[in-house]
Amino acid sequence: QVQLVESGGGVVQPGRSLRLSCAASGFTLSSYGMHWVRQAPGKGLEWVVSISYDGSNKYYADSVKGRFTISRDNSKNTLDLQMNSLRVEDMAVYYCAKDIAVSPPYYGMDVWGQGTTVTVSS
Amino acid sequence: DIQLTQSPSFLSASIGDRVTITCRASQGISSSLAWYQQKPGKAPNLLIYAASTLQSGVPSRFSGSGSGTDFTLTMSSLQPEDFATYYCQQLTTYPYTFGQGTRLEIK
Repeated sequence: QVQLVESGGGVVQPGRSLRLSCAASGFTLSSYGMHWVRQAPGKGLEWVVSISYDGSNKYYADSVKGRFTISRDNSKNTLDLQMNSLRVEDMAVYYCAKDIAVSPPYYGMDVWGQGTTVTVSS
Repeated sequence: DIQLTQSPSFLSASIGDRVTITCRASQGISSSLAWYQQKPGKAPNLLIYAASTLQSGVPSRFSGSGSGTDFTLTMSSLQPEDFATYYCQQLTTYPYTFGQGTRLEIK
């Protein structure tokens, strides 16, 4: 069964770091582009970052550029999001999602994880 | 950034109704648009990609159309499980923006 499972969320103080992970099963991660999307409490969806099948192309939202880093280990079927210098406005449920396509142009996110919650509070 | 504006933001409808949601882009995006359904506490679910291609496993009562700047998502006959929030997303230019969402509730 095709599945994504996120982990690593938690409560963190502003300015600190957190690393999210996403484990893929039921499909070959190396065959698809991947994304992270977040949703602040009571708000809509916000695209955060995309990475191509081989990790050679990465694109970040301006709101996280320079603070977040996406990476993938296709041999382990995992996707990571390193989040540094966290801000209160980064507080959200973070979803990893698989794209239909291998690399840009992307078409849409057809498999999503259940989400992991990041709370940024002092 | 490309802005996506969905209308309406809130919609009240009855079982069996035909419903249309519109998504307007601030500039042309060809057919690089996806539609998602999200239920409370759950991850989004892809309904339509490339503006009009029905994702595998999605009921045929869902359909999408449009290109350029104007797009629509239509549900031909609402079922109880369709009451949710719907989002459009453009995937032509970074950042891959989402619309603000349309909340569909039972009348």
